[in-house]
Amino acid sequence: AQSVTQLGSHVSVSEGALVLLRCNYSSSVPPYLFWYVQYPNQGLQLLLKYTSAATLVKGINGFEAEFKKSETSFHLTKPSAHMSDAAEYFCAVSDHYGGSQGNLIFGKGTKLSVKP
Amino acid sequence: DAGVIQSPRHEVTEMGQEVTLRCKPISGHDYLFWYRQTMMRGLELLIYFNNNVPIDDSGMPEDRFSAKMPNASFSTLKIQPSEPRDSAVYFCASSFGSDPATNEKLFFGSGTQLSVL
Repeated sequence: AQSVTQLGSHVSVSEGALVLLRCNYSSSVPPYLFWYVQYPNQGLQLLLKYTSAATLVKGINGFEAEFKKSETSFHLTKPSAHMSDAAEYFCAVSDHYGGSQGNLIFGKGTKLSVKP
Repeated sequence: DAGVIQSPRHEVTEMGQEVTLRCKPISGHDYLFWYRQTMMRGLELLIYFNNNVPIDDSGMPEDRFSAKMPNASFSTLKIQPSEPRDSAVYFCASSFGSDPATNEKLFFGSGTQLSVL
């Protein structure tokens, strides 16, 4: 069965600093992996997704994530944090089996705070 | 498109009462998901539909929970009777899962904050 583990429920960075949010996955099949963001009082929005093409995936708002099979990781990064990045970030894996919509299994989330 | 629309935005009820949450997915989307979010358990999938047919309801916690999708533009999640431990934010999401270019891009509603006293 697929699962994801997000390391750190809270991460705090200064504005302009590197953002690194960690996600490790477990999957019995080649995984489809996702990062979603949730702003206060809103639903989740897709940031980026990995579907076995390039291992470095670029998303919206300057975020990117690198798929590392040897480490079973899919960490999210952004070179320079902005105040507007403060939100909760969720890593997810799909039980997709080629071609059809799968069920997304979400991690517990990491709340990112950005200090001025 | 207005996005996924959920109602009500907030619901406060007393233990034992019936609660009905509503969702209107994005027009043309063929998958609809109901999720529950709590501090303790995070985001949990309750049930999802494809073309109005329930595909996987293994996440529905108990028989007190039921979900229907009578047509492509409407779904309900009902809790009867409600209990304090059902207090959570309930999200509805939809996607166009049949298109490999966009499937698994879920569009979430703003959620219903449910408080059962």
